[in-house]
Amino acid sequence: QITLKESGPTLVKPTQTLTLTCTFSGFSLTTRGVAVAWIRQPPGKALEWLALIYWDDDKRYSPSLESRLTLTKDTSKNQVVLTLANMDPMDTATYYCVHRGDELCFEYWGQGALVTVSS
Amino acid sequence: QSALTQPRSVSGSPGQSVTISCTGTSSDVGRNDFVSWYQQHPGKAPKLMIYDVSKRPSGVPGRFSGSKSGNTASLTISGLQAEDEADYYCCSYAASVVFGGGTKLTVL
Repeated sequence: QITLKESGPTLVKPTQTLTLTCTFSGFSLTTRGVAVAWIRQPPGKALEWLALIYWDDDKRYSPSLESRLTLTKDTSKNQVVLTLANMDPMDTATYYCVHRGDELCFEYWGQGALVTVSS
Repeated sequence: QSALTQPRSVSGSPGQSVTISCTGTSSDVGRNDFVSWYQQHPGKAPKLMIYDVSKRPSGVPGRFSGSKSGNTASLTISGLQAEDEADYYCCSYAASVVFGGGTKLTVL
């Protein structure tokens, strides 16, 4: 059974750096073809893809946020860490950690973590 | 990269069929068959309903079907049920990943 769970602060101040951790089980991020994505959703708005990290440590970032995003993984802990620098109130959103398997889609989602950016 | 274009809302009565369109470009939707659809109920995480344009994951009712023509993908829900009322998002996995703006389905 594949599960993912996001953890991190619920409130950050403008200009701060957000660090979110995805802890997963039921799969290994060393298995060929597997990737973990981060997808966010501002309140009342659409889903927005942020980044992907692959089993071979290749990374892909949303072009609009690439300069602010960093992804790392710790395969021994089954964790993926997302950092988003220079937070702005527009970054207020629910952040989802998502499993991507051999099929190029997102079947397993975490419950989401609401992050509010406010001074 | 711009979001894929979806109608903001669609509606239908129980038992009817509705189709939600998702229009992109030759760089995303039209580039390959890696189009997927997600259903999201309020306060819940999205759920995968269709992948690879027309394939259904295990457990998704056969009432849900997908297709694609050129740069436009479509999700059709036949035999509408009350529990189908939700937001629906398309997604294209090409050089990058891009979602649609979402469509609110109302079951009248």
